[in-house]
Amino acid sequence: GENVEQHPSTLSVQEGDSAVIKCTYSDSASNYFPWYKQELGKRPQLIIDIRSNVGEKKDQRIAVTLNKTAKHFSLHITETQPEDSAVYFCAIQGAQKLVFGQGTRLTINP
Amino acid sequence: DGGITQSPKYLFRKEGQNVTLSCEQNLNHDAMYWYRQDPGQGLRLIYYSQIVNDFQKGDIAEGYSVSREKKESFPLTVTSAQKNPTAFYLCASSSRGGGYTFGSGTRLTVV
Repeated sequence: GENVEQHPSTLSVQEGDSAVIKCTYSDSASNYFPWYKQELGKRPQLIIDIRSNVGEKKDQRIAVTLNKTAKHFSLHITETQPEDSAVYFCAIQGAQKLVFGQGTRLTINP
Repeated sequence: DGGITQSPKYLFRKEGQNVTLSCEQNLNHDAMYWYRQDPGQGLRLIYYSQIVNDFQKGDIAEGYSVSREKKESFPLTVTSAQKNPTAFYLCASSSRGGGYTFGSGTRLTVV
């Protein structure tokens, strides 16, 4: 069935350091993998996505890597800043809907 | 908000009362979704609709109902059968195979 596991559930890093969040999934048919950022009390917003025909995608300080053989994909944030503090959700494209991970609460310490 | 509008922003429900949350989109998206989010928790799917006049139950549909009479609109009714409705409700829409655009949410509180 469609399932995605997200780790870690909480992550605390020093400002300027890098943060990595990993998701593993079970459905080999999935071909679309988005990441969402949700600030406190706000709606989730798409920050980056990747399709299965590429292994890596980068947008300024954020990047996503995908390993379809191992069925995992990761979000990388470099040179972290206080405004990166939020909850991040990964997702995979299921049969008719996205299947979301459980979320990672990222805290950037000054 | 980015082409998808939820109203009201805050809603208060009395015991035994049905309330309806509005979700409207002008993105020409075929699919629409409703999620519930409890404090510090993830997104749980209530109902979704891939096309007008058709919808499917998500993981936590009990105590909720929806309709999809127009492509642009997907209202959610929280019925009196939902015993613990206090939560943040998020509506989303998507084109086929695309990412979701979320509305700004409705915060429902039982009084």
